[in-house]
Amino acid sequence: DTAVSQTPKYLVTQMGNDKSIKCEQNLGHDTMYWYKQDSKKFLKIMFSYNNKELIINETVPNRFSPKSPDKAHLNLHINSLELGDSAVYFCASSQEGGPVSSYNSPLHFGNGTRLTVT
Amino acid sequence: QKEVEQNSGPLSVPEGAIASLNCTYSDRVSQSFFWYRQYSGKSPELIMSIYSNGDKEDGRFTAQLNKASQYVSLLIRDSQPSDSATYLCAGLYSSASKIIFGSGTRLSIRP
Repeated sequence: DTAVSQTPKYLVTQMGNDKSIKCEQNLGHDTMYWYKQDSKKFLKIMFSYNNKELIINETVPNRFSPKSPDKAHLNLHINSLELGDSAVYFCASSQEGGPVSSYNSPLHFGNGTRLTVT
Repeated sequence: QKEVEQNSGPLSVPEGAIASLNCTYSDRVSQSFFWYRQYSGKSPELIMSIYSNGDKEDGRFTAQLNKASQYVSLLIRDSQPSDSATYLCAGLYSSASKIIFGSGTRLSIRP
């Protein structure tokens, strides 16, 4: 199936631990993103990569480090997890979205990773 | 002002009626606008995109864009219980290649 897939679906861990979330898309898209959705459903962009190049790096603690080994994969590593990191993290991709973007290219989301930090 | 603003609701509409969802945006957002639907516990899925002033229709859905008033809306005709979800308005942030979301409006269709 063509899709954006991310793993794991659920992640429960203790404060101070380090964890990773993986994302892969087989849509042939050039750009991938990480979004964070808090308990009030507000969806906020964290990072985007276009063809393995970091394009957007919002005001996110440097405990969060994205890695894109190729344009089909974008992983998110989180160090020293804190209670406030609890949220649903969505990976997404779009056909366009690089530095020069005509941007008629909507986002396709993965199913989300619900991270709970205790 | 937030870049994209929506009334959080909940908006309750009787089955069969028209549901009207509204969104305003700031000067920093332009060009492209999107409506996403998100069921509880699921990921957002695209319903409509609109780039030009006026109306765009797709089945029971109509998106409306008014750039002069910086206003985007989504109309759902013949509302069904399956339309009950959170609707997210989104727009392209002009100075960077990123889509900015509103906080979403929760819609409830009552039978």
